[in-house]
Amino acid sequence: SQQGEEDPQALSIQEGENATMNCSYKTSINNLQWYRQNSGRGLVHLILIRSNEREKHSGRLRVTLDTSKKSSSLLITASRAADTASYFCATGPIQGAQKLVFGQGTRLTINP
Amino acid sequence: EAGVVQSPRYKIIEKKQPVAFWCNPISGHNTLYWYLQNLGQGPELLIRYENEEAVDDSQLPKDRFSAERLKGVDSTLKIQPAELGDSAVYLCASSGGLAGTGEQFFGPGTRLTVL
Repeated sequence: SQQGEEDPQALSIQEGENATMNCSYKTSINNLQWYRQNSGRGLVHLILIRSNEREKHSGRLRVTLDTSKKSSSLLITASRAADTASYFCATGPIQGAQKLVFGQGTRLTINP
Repeated sequence: EAGVVQSPRYKIIEKKQPVAFWCNPISGHNTLYWYLQNLGQGPELLIRYENEEAVDDSQLPKDRFSAERLKGVDSTLKIQPAELGDSAVYLCASSGGLAGTGEQFFGPGTRLTVL
């Protein structure tokens, strides 16, 4: 079963524009992580935000977390062709099995 | 530092045949995971190891799937017999921090096609 739901499922923008992806989840979490997956390759960890944090930055990435709404967003600024990939949010639960639960992902296409 | 290594990268078999996937985690990582990823979906955990102990195999279809992690390093995931619905990408990941709650490092995956 998958906890997270990403929105939109697919996003296509022009190079240089900003891309925003959203993730909603159902149960309380310890942290939320974002991963990127290029076509035919494994997942790469991008950023981790803990439940007591509201915003985090890493280079061109900005992640927000609203635990009251059980949602997170990933913003990629000044997009590049190399950002074309699928992006997944993954939640680390507070209780129960210590495992990440991934969403279905957002497929991002950056057009040159 | 070498990443997570998986082999083979691709495997095509006929249904009812056995198949095995191999994973070598990042050196020093005690926690190893096997995930299944269907096309257009996120990864789903099959099994998690802490050293050589399988601590979470609740999602592993035990009638046909088995896994082992001898000596707490390399791991093998086996399917016997394979079914058409097993066609997917099998991902291995490892982590060195708090089990399952920190960053995980993924291998490139094995794409299985069952004919």
